[in-house]
Amino acid sequence: QVQLVQSGAEVKKPGASVKVSCKASGYTFTNFYMHWVRQAPGQGLEWMGVINPTGGSTTYAQRFHGRVTMTRDTSTSTVYVDLSSLRSDDTAVYYCARDRNTYDSRIFDYWGRGTLVTVSS
Amino acid sequence: EIVLTQSPATLSLSPGERATLSCRASQSVSNYLAWYQQKPGQAPRLLIYDASNRATGIPARFSGSGSGTDFTLTISSLEPEDFAVYYCQQRSNWPPLTFGGGTKVEMK
Repeated sequence: QVQLVQSGAEVKKPGASVKVSCKASGYTFTNFYMHWVRQAPGQGLEWMGVINPTGGSTTYAQRFHGRVTMTRDTSTSTVYVDLSSLRSDDTAVYYCARDRNTYDSRIFDYWGRGTLVTVSS
Repeated sequence: EIVLTQSPATLSLSPGERATLSCRASQSVSNYLAWYQQKPGQAPRLLIYDASNRATGIPARFSGSGSGTDFTLTISSLEPEDFAVYYCQQRSNWPPLTFGGGTKVEMK
C-alpha cells in the first residue's frame, strides 16, 4: 500500500533553515509527482510547490521563491523540502502529497502525516 | 491567483441531516475543482476531483457538482464520522494551486 513517511518535528530559530523529508513506498516512486502543502496552526492549506521525481524539475509558488528548494533522491524514494530564512509565520505542519496520476494532474490522493516545524526564538 | 471562497464558514447540523457546502472561484476553473476532508490531527483526504468524481473508496453519500465559478459539495445524510473541515482546491490556473478557507461541519 502507498505510504508517505515524513521526518519528525523540528524547532528552529528565526533566520535558520529546515529540511523536511518524505519517504515513499508501495508504488513506483518516479511515476508520480510529489507536492508540498503546509498548514499554519488553526489555518487553511497552502500549496508550496511540486517536484517531478523523474528528472527533479520543480515548480514553486511565487511567495516562496528564493526560499524554498525541493529535491529528491531516487535511490531512497525520498523527496525533500528545504525552507530557508525562516520566520515565525513559517510555523506550520508541512505535508507531502502525492499526485493522483502519472502526470502532473495536481490532485492529491495520498498524504504524509505531516511534520510540525516551529520557528521560535 | 485564483481565490476560492467557501461558505458557510461553519455548518451546524445533526447526524442524518443533509449538508450543502459551497465553493466560489474568483474566475472560471472549468471543472478542475477538488474537495478534501480533514479531521483534527490528520492529513486531508481526497473526496471529489474534477467537480463531481468520487475518489476511490469514498461513500456515495458524498457528491460534488458545479462548473465555472460555483461548486457544491453535498453530503446526503451525515454520519458521525463526517464532522470535519472541508476544503476545495482548484488546479485550473497555476501556479499557485489554491485552496478555499474551509468549511467546518460541526455537530449541533
